[in-house]
Amino acid sequence: NAGVMQNPRHLVRRRGQEARLRCSPMKGHSHVYWYRQLPEEGLKFMVYLQKENIIDESGMPKERFSAEFPKEGPSILRIQQVVRGDSAAYFCASKSGSDTGELFFGEGSRLTVL
Amino acid sequence: AQKITQTQPGMFVQEKEAVTLDCTYDTSDQSYGLFWYKQPSSGEMIFLIYQGSYDEQNATEGRYSLNFQKARKSANLVISASQLGDSAMYFCAMREGPSGAGSYQLTFGKGTKLSVIP
Repeated sequence: NAGVMQNPRHLVRRRGQEARLRCSPMKGHSHVYWYRQLPEEGLKFMVYLQKENIIDESGMPKERFSAEFPKEGPSILRIQQVVRGDSAAYFCASKSGSDTGELFFGEGSRLTVL
Repeated sequence: AQKITQTQPGMFVQEKEAVTLDCTYDTSDQSYGLFWYKQPSSGEMIFLIYQGSYDEQNATEGRYSLNFQKARKSANLVISASQLGDSAMYFCAMREGPSGAGSYQLTFGKGTKLSVIP
């Protein structure tokens, strides 16, 4: 859904560098989710955030990964000291506070680690 | 155990024919939701259809319908009158717990690649 904006769409990093992926949710949405899709796989939940709060980070790797959703500005998924296994598509999704039964996804950010 | 199982890695269908994509799920929750998403080669995830566990009628959205068989724990997607633009990966996903509970942590299957033949 074009309403959820992710950038960059494609990112290339060398091993050991940092990757920052940004997500602006749909207007009026205060709930943001990050998912990771490895090649030939379905999406896997990473983290759920509301403004200034991490609600559920049960899918986040314990090290090198962090996420934030500040009061102002986009949500950021940060990967420090990237490794080749981090190469994947990272999707952001948002929903409003009320239940509509639908999670709106962005177009994804594709990270390639050389 | 897999929470979402899509047993068909790839499917072919003739243009204008109907096709069913299989999805079975595993949960002990009484309240849950089932989703289907389409992922074309361009990579975005497009929401197709949603079925709540307490919905009595099968969900329909245009050419998409969800064949929900609760006792069998299956939620197959039916696409009628296939079009060339339907060629894509299709993912079944589940949210466990009530819809208003907060976390929309979806569990996805591995997907089915649908190819529509002219």
